[in-house]
Amino acid sequence: GAGVSQSPSNKVTEKGKDVELRCDPISGHTALYWYRQSLGQGLEFLIYFQGNSAPDKSGLPSDRFSAERTGGSVSTLTIQRTQQEDSAVYLCASSDPQGPHTEAFFGQGTRLTVV
Amino acid sequence: AQSVTQLGSHVSVSEGALVLLRCNYSSSVPPYLFWYVQYPNQGLQLLLKYTSAATLVKGINGFEAEFKKSETSFHLTKPSAHMRDAAEYFCAVSPLQGAQKLVFGQGTRLTINP
Repeated sequence: GAGVSQSPSNKVTEKGKDVELRCDPISGHTALYWYRQSLGQGLEFLIYFQGNSAPDKSGLPSDRFSAERTGGSVSTLTIQRTQQEDSAVYLCASSDPQGPHTEAFFGQGTRLTVV
Repeated sequence: AQSVTQLGSHVSVSEGALVLLRCNYSSSVPPYLFWYVQYPNQGLQLLLKYTSAATLVKGINGFEAEFKKSETSFHLTKPSAHMRDAAEYFCAVSPLQGAQKLVFGQGTRLTINP
């Protein structure tokens, strides 16, 4: 596609439920990032995928968070047993580190509200 | 390993005044450097980037940044602020070589006073 697409754009869930957030990166981009942005806060790095390398999971806040990237393209971020502190905007970005446009292109984010 | 420090989480300037947002980086290898802007309720978009060509980089909306290796800085400036410049600004670094992740600063919220 023309840009990074995230779905859903908004998600309201009850505490304790599991949620899945989806990211479709720009075609051909080998790198994919997930970030979290809480209200009025900066970007919190969650996880980084690059090609076939093992993902950098160093930013995942707890074992309730996991992410996968299938076929080097679409990625899903899963949050199990959601808590109220998980409420935030989850941003996905992709880039082509070996190409001319090394910057990350961001999606519009998924706003998650845990009630 | 790379890191980025943005000095000042909030900056407030008057309309028409100079905008200066500070970014210092740490990198063991030559870096790529970026500034992103996030307008209210929107995603992040690239403002400008340094990729080892000219040290003075011009971006969109009249912004520019200068790479100073000796100071490990990449400060963002604009000569005359507009109300529409009110946004959150993020500085980021990644290695020049190799496919390694971007590292972002904590962001600076710019407020423009009429």
